Amino acid sequence: EIMMTQSPATLSVSPGERATLSCRASQSVSHNLAWYQQKPGQAPRLLIYGASTRATGIPARFSGSGSGTEFTLTISSLQSEDFAVYYCQHYNSWPPLTFGGGTKVEI
Amino acid sequence: EVQLVQSGAEVKKPGDSLKISCKGSGYSFDNQWIAWVRQMPGKGLEWMGNIFPGDSDIKYSPSFQGQVTISADKSISTAFLQWSSLKASDTAIYYCAKGSTYEGGVLALWGRGTLVIVSS
Repeated sequence: EIMMTQSPATLSVSPGERATLSCRASQSVSHNLAWYQQKPGQAPRLLIYGASTRATGIPARFSGSGSGTEFTLTISSLQSEDFAVYYCQHYNSWPPLTFGGGTKVEI
Repeated sequence: EVQLVQSGAEVKKPGDSLKISCKGSGYSFDNQWIAWVRQMPGKGLEWMGNIFPGDSDIKYSPSFQGQVTISADKSISTAFLQWSSLKASDTAIYYCAKGSTYEGGVLALWGRGTLVIVSS
């Protein structure tokens, strides 16, 4: 089973600053990587799929990059509504689907 | 509008059985995967399994195989997650999510979740 590791566990950022979140796969998942955002008390929401394609309605300040085993989610200028937990998930040759442990972006 | 509507919160005792539901609307329910995802209190997301309602093909996570049963009734556009004997450790929020049109493993739309509390 492919394991997904996210770092850091918590990221403290000020509004307007750039946030960079990392996700590492234990073996190559090609570009088959998605990112989700979860705010407190809400269901997760798809942000990015195919490692770099924004889902419908996702602002351009969110960008994804990487392939193989190393991936990055960048939020170019944090807005107040972006403080949340972010999860990566691979879907390469599933099952299984595997999520990372999450990165909490806090003020 | 495409949406997934999940059944309401449940409070059960250890040993009880339970079946929760996820009704899809606004899209072709038969032709897109539905996933179930567990989130234990204060914890991350865990994939439990997927079902393709059109032919009831089911993929289980090894961690949940034998612990739960996933099913679907395409006549009512509804997927189900059930337990025959709940444990306290089943206390969690359970989300259903719809796979994207082109890739079932991309969870494009999520239900609001069903809170299950198991306590004596």
